[in-house]
Amino acid sequence: GAVVSQHPSRVICKSGTSVKIECRSLDFQATTMFWYRQFPKQSLMLMATSNEGSKATYEQGVEKDKFLINHASLTLSTLTVTSAHPEDSSFYICSARDTRSYEQYFGPGTRLTVT
Amino acid sequence: AQKVTQAQTEISVVEKEDVTLDCVYETRDTTYYLFWYKQPPSGELVFLIRRNSFDEQNEISGRYSWNFQKSTSSFNFTITASQVVDSAVYFCALSEGGNTGTASKLTFGTGTRLQVML
Repeated sequence: GAVVSQHPSRVICKSGTSVKIECRSLDFQATTMFWYRQFPKQSLMLMATSNEGSKATYEQGVEKDKFLINHASLTLSTLTVTSAHPEDSSFYICSARDTRSYEQYFGPGTRLTVT
Repeated sequence: AQKVTQAQTEISVVEKEDVTLDCVYETRDTTYYLFWYKQPPSGELVFLIRRNSFDEQNEISGRYSWNFQKSTSSFNFTITASQVVDSAVYFCALSEGGNTGTASKLTFGTGTRLQVML
């Protein structure tokens, strides 16, 4: 089956630093990827839709200058949390939509802790 | 706007009991897709099922079954003869349809934490 990877799986960083999270589709091409955030014991909330070769579409309330998304190729999207603060600590999950089948596959998630 | 409601926050059952997880959705789209995902403690989402709005047939897969009723906007999930390994958080989700096929952005419910005890 289709596989989506995320790197890193866990990251701890200091307040004020930036963290980059990668989302890769390993055996299919994904023109569109989605980034979700999940706070502890809460649901997944869509942050943004990442489109290859164009600007991401952010959901209401998500700061685009803080959460930078780059979808530079058909298999890779990156989410950079800039100037991270403890309130950004969360579980970030990406999903990738197969360009051919339109099926959507989730990555395993990245747990970010900002100290 | 789309909305998914999972009224049950937590459910505890004893192994071998049957359990039903409720999901009620709201959408203005005539074409939409409903999903159930399992999230074990590891955090990774495990896909369980996808249903499109034109297919109201109930589905059974092993111990799992789903009841889709458009009349009540519900898509309930039943686990028969529950096992300890079923302990997880279960999410119901909704996506719009249209020419994007089955994989538009998902709106998730708040999840139901299921604990199956020995």
